[in-house]
Amino acid sequence: DQQVKQNSPSLSVQEGRISILNCDYTNSMFDYFLWYKKYPAEGPTFLISISSIKDKNEDGRFTVFLNKSAKHLSLHIVPSQPGDSAVYFCAGRETSGSRLTFGEGTQLTVNP
Amino acid sequence: NAGVMQNPRHLVRRRGQEARLRCSPMKGHSHVYWYRQLPEEGLKFMVYLQKENIIDESGMPKERFSAEFPKEGPSILRIQQVVRGDSAAYFCASSPTSANTGELFFGEGSRLTVL
Repeated sequence: DQQVKQNSPSLSVQEGRISILNCDYTNSMFDYFLWYKKYPAEGPTFLISISSIKDKNEDGRFTVFLNKSAKHLSLHIVPSQPGDSAVYFCAGRETSGSRLTFGEGTQLTVNP
Repeated sequence: NAGVMQNPRHLVRRRGQEARLRCSPMKGHSHVYWYRQLPEEGLKFMVYLQKENIIDESGMPKERFSAEFPKEGPSILRIQQVVRGDSAAYFCASSPTSANTGELFFGEGSRLTVL
């Protein structure tokens, strides 16, 4: 049962343009959604989160949008930089517990 | 280094041997989570522990896998009689007593290779 799904395995954008990473979920019990970034041979690092009662959260170049009716969230990175090249994981946290359920990840490549 | 510490970073075992992976959470964190990432896949939850207690082990395989988080010392993920399918990156994460926004802090992972 894939509760969190990232349908695009990879995304390639030009430096300076916007990167949009998408995520769909099925579990209505998620109360927080998080995005993590992961470089090869390293652990995931937290990027940004959003509460299920909000529809937008912004932190510098990163903005996360949540559409609860569509059970969809997206991460916008603008402007994109080559250092943003990494795998991005979307995750949801259930109100009943602390564990996170992750999507499969999207490999973002930002070309100079 | 105040981050989550995992060791060993790389571990090679032959089929049938045992693998022990250790995790020291961030200072002040009492909640530990283990995740597994198989090649070309996402992070899969395995187990959630607090000191001396297993809170949620719904992601743990029923056989050969066990985890503990003793009162003193690191959390241990133990895999007995390893098979090739156990080859993966195992990530430990920690959170403080109340992870209000759900944020977990991850270690750099232990990469297990089973020959």
